[in-house]
Amino acid sequence: EAGVTQFPSHSVIEKGQTVTLRCDPISGHDNLYWYRRVMGKEIKFLLHFVKESKQDESGMPNNRFLAERTGGTYSTLKVQPAELEDSGVYFCASSQEPGTASYEQYFGPGTRLTVT
Amino acid sequence: GQSLEQPSEVTAVEGAIVQINCTYQTSGFYGLSWYQQHDGGAPTFLSYNALDGLEETGRFSSFLSRSDSYGYLLLQELQMKDSASYFCAVRSSGAGSYQLTFGKGTKLSVIP
Repeated sequence: EAGVTQFPSHSVIEKGQTVTLRCDPISGHDNLYWYRRVMGKEIKFLLHFVKESKQDESGMPNNRFLAERTGGTYSTLKVQPAELEDSGVYFCASSQEPGTASYEQYFGPGTRLTVT
Repeated sequence: GQSLEQPSEVTAVEGAIVQINCTYQTSGFYGLSWYQQHDGGAPTFLSYNALDGLEETGRFSSFLSRSDSYGYLLLQELQMKDSASYFCAVRSSGAGSYQLTFGKGTKLSVIP
């Protein structure tokens, strides 16, 4: 079974540019999460999708960040325009329905974003 | 708000036992998870405790005391490959979401 995949693995962009990160969850996982780790800080929650719906986007830092999950499969996270403080590693995770006994979130390898 | 405290670094000898502690302050607590992350890799799930007590999975065990808001990860028979960062994470419910709130991680170095 394929794990969570993320693309690209690395991205270097200039301040003011736009970047789109992609996450493909494990097949059959309705729940998809985005997290971010800024250097030296802890991994922080950004938002949670259940299928194509945003269940919780309380962690999104501001309106420069837009997440979508059309069709309830893969998800994209767009940063527009990027700022220096957006640099960090963006992780995606997926899990089965929360109501089941499966509470484990499976993480992807992350996208390392550097804004210069 | 939510916060978790864990040691930033721990060093232990190959074959020994090491315990990584985690204390937390949170609302809407469901359980405590532990994740392992090797440099540049994905955080990998190790264990989850929703109830008080000890959960054992092979060489790894995890403990939770809800009344003390405290848990720990116990690694036995340490191997060099166990050198990695270990994160405790609280699973909580907010706005109908089961998000994870992570500690800053403990970097474990296993030495010969």
